[in-house]
Amino acid sequence: AQSVTQLDSQVPVFEEAPVELRCNYSSSVSVYLFWYVQYPNQGLQLLLKYLSGSTLVKGINGFEAEFNKSQTSFHLRKPSVHISDTAEYFCAVSADTGNQFYFGTGTSLTVIP
Amino acid sequence: GAGVSQSPSNKVTEKGKDVELRCDPISGHTALYWYRQSLGQGLEFLIYFQGNSAPDKSGLPSDRFSAERTGGSVSTLTIQRTQQEDSAVYLCASSFLRGGTDTQYFGPGTRLTVL
Repeated sequence: AQSVTQLDSQVPVFEEAPVELRCNYSSSVSVYLFWYVQYPNQGLQLLLKYLSGSTLVKGINGFEAEFNKSQTSFHLRKPSVHISDTAEYFCAVSADTGNQFYFGTGTSLTVIP
Repeated sequence: GAGVSQSPSNKVTEKGKDVELRCDPISGHTALYWYRQSLGQGLEFLIYFQGNSAPDKSGLPSDRFSAERTGGSVSTLTIQRTQQEDSAVYLCASSFLRGGTDTQYFGPGTRLTVL
């Protein structure tokens, strides 16, 4: 089975500062990795995903994430955050076999003006 | 086009009652997931439907939980004899293809409160 750990439950950051949201996973098989974002009072939507190929993945709204197989990590980064980035961010993993997605407990990003 | 819709948006029920939660996926999406999101927890996988195949029920927490998907479209999650620990937000998601690599589109959720 797979599992996902998001160590930071809350991350406050000032506007225009860089941010990194951490995600580590465990799996004995090849995985696919995802970041979903949930804006206040909205449903979850895909931010970016890693399936194969380049380990640096770019997503919407200026976010990017890097897959590091040796460290089993998929950290999310943005060089300069905006107030509108305030949201809950979820890291998720699925295996290339099976149907399940495993989600982390989420990181609440608060951008401070 | 229309996204995934869920109804009701909020449901308050008494302990011991049965509840039905509905999900309308995006038209043409073959895969449908149900998740449960409890306070301070991540999304917990409940059940997965793919086309006409037998559903993957491995995430259902007890036999009080069941789900069906009629005609490969609308899905209903039923919780019998509800308990207070069933209180959570229940999310439905659909994807065009088999779920492992495909983007999931989430509904707004149903917030269930069991008194």
